[in-house]
Amino acid sequence: LAKTTQPISMDSYEGQEVNITCSHNNIATNDYITWYQQFPSQGPRFIIQGYKTKVTNEVASLFIPADRKSSTLSLPRVSLSDTAVYYCLVDTSGTYKYIFGTGTRLKVLA
Amino acid sequence: DAMVIQNPRYQVTQFGKPVTLSCSQTLNHNVMYWYQQKSSQAPKLLFHYYDKDFNNEADTPDNFQSRRPNTSFCFLDIRSPGLGDAAMYLCATSRTPRQGGETQYFGPGTRLLVL
Repeated sequence: LAKTTQPISMDSYEGQEVNITCSHNNIATNDYITWYQQFPSQGPRFIIQGYKTKVTNEVASLFIPADRKSSTLSLPRVSLSDTAVYYCLVDTSGTYKYIFGTGTRLKVLA
Repeated sequence: DAMVIQNPRYQVTQFGKPVTLSCSQTLNHNVMYWYQQKSSQAPKLLFHYYDKDFNNEADTPDNFQSRRPNTSFCFLDIRSPGLGDAAMYLCATSRTPRQGGETQYFGPGTRLLVL
């Protein structure tokens, strides 16, 4: 199972774009990359998932280079309410094993 | 609309006294998971049910057990809680068949305090 590595913490200011990069060197062919957001005392919430190139939804974009050994979550114009922990997971098809990495604590400042 | 419901949100138990945490879902998903999350740490998978098939993670202590009487409900039983079992317990669900591109839906968690 591929493990992930993320920065422990990041600070940003309101209105800025935030990019959080995740390293997953051992990703396998059938693996997907999934990002979750977690607020204090709540369960993780799905943000976005991708396999390759770029995926965009209403809250974020996910960039995955051709070798798929890393991925970048992009949050456009963050607000104070985006302060949370962001987890990158490698989602292995054919198993039910999910290994959360350390996560990135994003703090958005006014 | 609540999809994964956990009760209670906060549970206090005594050292060594058995405790049960509950999870229910309205998504009709085949797979239900239990995670343990300690303070400032990432969630750690304890086990999951694929329908009625129980799958334990290798490093989950024997003190932790689970029951799934039907599709909608799943219980986490801690037979003899120790101080180190104080944590947030998260329930999650997902669909099958598992072909990648699926996601998990998490409940709000139950915070367990052991006195």
